[in-house]
Amino acid sequence: DTGVSQDPRHKITKRGQNVTFRCDPISEHNRLYWYRQTLGQGPEFLTYFQNEAQLEKSRLLSDRFSAERPKGSFSTLEIQRTEQGDSAMYLCASSLWAGLAGDPYEQYFGPGTRLTVT
Amino acid sequence: QKEVEQNSGPLSVPEGAIASLNCTYSDRGSQSFFWYRQYSGKSPELIMSIYSNGDKEDGRFTAQLNKASQYVSLLIRDSQPSDSATYLCAVRGAGRRALTFGSGTRLQVQP
Repeated sequence: DTGVSQDPRHKITKRGQNVTFRCDPISEHNRLYWYRQTLGQGPEFLTYFQNEAQLEKSRLLSDRFSAERPKGSFSTLEIQRTEQGDSAMYLCASSLWAGLAGDPYEQYFGPGTRLTVT
Repeated sequence: QKEVEQNSGPLSVPEGAIASLNCTYSDRGSQSFFWYRQYSGKSPELIMSIYSNGDKEDGRFTAQLNKASQYVSLLIRDSQPSDSATYLCAVRGAGRRALTFGSGTRLQVQP
């Protein structure tokens, strides 16, 4: 399977615990995005990387959230001191930017990690 | 006003009919427009992209864009029960890399 992969697929944690999610993008894609989706809503942007550089962060990304993409390949999203409001599907997407004007920016999503904070 | 607005539905159509899904957006400088299909409990799947005014056809799907009216639509011809899903409209705003999504329209195709 050459699509975007995410691990774990499901995570149940107690309030106050830290959790870390991993995303492996499509191999040739140099852009990687994290989104969060709650029931009945569309995905909301959290942050994005071009290669290893984190170029944009949403105001939704509080200080408890941190993301890395150390070698420009896989990425991790860590949530510290989880709260019940963090319960959501965390989605990773990737795209290819070839440096050309008019690039399509088509983003392909992984299966997501469903987080439940009890 | 939400940046990307969609009717939540459900939109119910009989099998074989044309389903018409609509989306409006507020950022007049938006450049790229996408339709994703999302089955319950699954992640969004890209089905169409459109970048210039007019129609773009791909199989049973046609995307329509009118930048002057800030309106994008998706037509699904010969609707099948397997098309029953939530359809998300996504827009890339001016100067942005991230997508802004609507809340989705739930489509039900009745056999």
